[in-house]
Amino acid sequence: NAGVTQTPKFQVLKTGQSMTLQCAQDMNHEYMSWYRQDPGMGLRLIHYSVGAGITDQGEVPNGYNVSRSTTEDFPLRLLSAAPSQTSVYFCASSSEGGGTQYFGPGTRLLVL
Amino acid sequence: DAKTTQPTSMDCAEGRAANLPCNHSTISGNEYVYWYRQIHSQGPQYIIHGLKNNETNEMASLIITEDRKSSTLILPHATLRDTAVYYCIVRVAWGPSWDYKLSFGAGTTVTVRA
Repeated sequence: NAGVTQTPKFQVLKTGQSMTLQCAQDMNHEYMSWYRQDPGMGLRLIHYSVGAGITDQGEVPNGYNVSRSTTEDFPLRLLSAAPSQTSVYFCASSSEGGGTQYFGPGTRLLVL
Repeated sequence: DAKTTQPTSMDCAEGRAANLPCNHSTISGNEYVYWYRQIHSQGPQYIIHGLKNNETNEMASLIITEDRKSSTLILPHATLRDTAVYYCIVRVAWGPSWDYKLSFGAGTTVTVRA
């Protein structure tokens, strides 16, 4: 199994541009989520999904959209990038809603 | 979720066992103890979890005290690749206070030295 994969690994955007961060998992996990991690800080939950077609907001959802059309994929869309969204983004998945979450390698985003 | 207290940092000699303590004195009956680590620039990695019994897997062992107020993660033979920040997390597995979000505190920075 590849586990949780994320693309791209690194991205530079200009303020106002939009983009989609991709996340896929091949473990048939129902739960998927997006976190962001700023330098020297912990993870903050952006959005999560408990199954295909079901999503919910985390603690920092503003400026981000998600959808879950398949079990495998959970893309994160930045509608109009802002410098405050410069961060490392991690996608995670789990088979149940507990604490055993498996993380991808991350996408490093720089917004100028 | 219950608050945890971990030492800020610790060093360990390569090949020796690394014992990482965690205090969680306010843990409640339906809360599990989870351990994760984050190697520099990588995504967090799940290590092990337990409720009240000691647990062992291919990566580590978890020792939980009988009163469940503290626990110790043991890396039996530390290698240089085990250098990372280790997080002890206590969280509810079910019930009205359940929250999907994982809350990582400051963790313990473990440096394994040759």
